[in-house]
Amino acid sequence: GENVEQHPSTLSVQEGDSAVIKCTYSDSASNYFPWYKQELGKGPQLIIDIRSNVGEKKDQRIAVTLNKTAKHFSLHITETQPEDSAVYFCAVLSGSARQLTFGSGTQLTVLP
Amino acid sequence: SQTIHQWPATLVQPVGSPLSLECTVEGTSNPNLYWYRQAAGRGLQLLFYSVGIGQISSEVPQNLSASRPQDRQFILSSKKLLLSDSGFYLCAWSVGTGLKNEQFFGPGTRLTVL
Repeated sequence: GENVEQHPSTLSVQEGDSAVIKCTYSDSASNYFPWYKQELGKGPQLIIDIRSNVGEKKDQRIAVTLNKTAKHFSLHITETQPEDSAVYFCAVLSGSARQLTFGSGTQLTVLP
Repeated sequence: SQTIHQWPATLVQPVGSPLSLECTVEGTSNPNLYWYRQAAGRGLQLLFYSVGIGQISSEVPQNLSASRPQDRQFILSSKKLLLSDSGFYLCAWSVGTGLKNEQFFGPGTRLTVL
């Protein structure tokens, strides 16, 4: 089955700096890569996703890059703000499967 | 627009008692439905998923079960809770397969087994 590894597990940055979270996956047939943000006590919220036919996608301060050859993808948050503090999960969908495989999560703390 | 509801929001149950958590989705038809558990820490463990009424796939062996009595209703149950069943239970939905599989989560149920 699919194996997803996410790094780092914790990340602290100063407000205004950039944050990068990386994930690797094992199944070369994987074709959908979402990122979720989970605030304390709440369900994860989809913040951005990318499909295998695209190398990069941006949405304001958030971007995701995908390297299919190397089987890794990354979340980039620029100009971080305290409200960006949360746990971030990457996920991978393989082939025609209906279930996602999640990374282990990254606790991002933005220091004011 | 689509919405997903879970209840209760929090639950404290004694060991050996039964469990029933409910999830309902509004604004979509024939969704794929999922139950996840998130133990202390951060990982999301897929427990069950369903692609239609009465169709349940189990991802991990456990003393929990799931049922889908209606198209947009997904229920997580147990006959006898264990201490290890404590955690944050999340329901999610999606439609389609492959490239159309954006998955959306409910607000979760915090279960504490004492």
